[in-house]
Amino acid sequence: RKEVEQDPGPFNVPEGATVAFNCTYSNSASQSFFWYRQDCRKEPKLLMSVYSSGNEDGRFTAQLNRASQYISLLIRDSKLSDSATYLCVVNMEGYQKVTFGTGTKLQVIP
Amino acid sequence: NAGVMQNPRHLVRRRGQEARLRCSPMKGHSHVYWYRQLPEEGLKFMVYLQKENIIDESGMPKERFSAEFPKEGPSILRIQQVVRGDSAAYFCASSPFRGGRWDTEAFFGQGTRLTVV
Repeated sequence: RKEVEQDPGPFNVPEGATVAFNCTYSNSASQSFFWYRQDCRKEPKLLMSVYSSGNEDGRFTAQLNRASQYISLLIRDSKLSDSATYLCVVNMEGYQKVTFGTGTKLQVIP
Repeated sequence: NAGVMQNPRHLVRRRGQEARLRCSPMKGHSHVYWYRQLPEEGLKFMVYLQKENIIDESGMPKERFSAEFPKEGPSILRIQQVVRGDSAAYFCASSPFRGGRWDTEAFFGQGTRLTVV
């Protein structure tokens, strides 16, 4: 089983739609979780951290389910500019090597 | 404060040549990470270094690949005798110290796209 698994997509959604991605992780010792965004042929950029209590930033909501070992990202009111690949990232406490998922590709359609 | 600088942005090498990829971390950052991204795949960890020390090279191929981060100058990822399968985007990230939070302290460079012809 891969350390971090994501549905590669693509998810094709119309503008204004709500879309959700899940990401499962295999190592129960994982402590920190993040969502990154990567535009085509660009470097990954941090979108948001995922806290145990869940967190929200505008149209984006991230949640963690430790019991089932997955994190989720919900995007409301999708914009064309949300089209990108979303990478799930996990690491263990105090250890600076993070593990990236292969990413979920989102295409928002006019 | 300039971000993480990688050069060259694009590098074309013929099979059998050597490729040298450079990464200058953000000012004040002493830890560097190299990741490789093959087309349509995720980022794969290669190596984690601090100045003059390799901390974790568990992701590095056993042959042809090496990395260093000297006391002075950028970190270098060196690929000897390149093959077509080495064609990928190579990203570098830097952070100020070990043990801190990745999300607040690690930043990526724009990557070097290596094409082996």
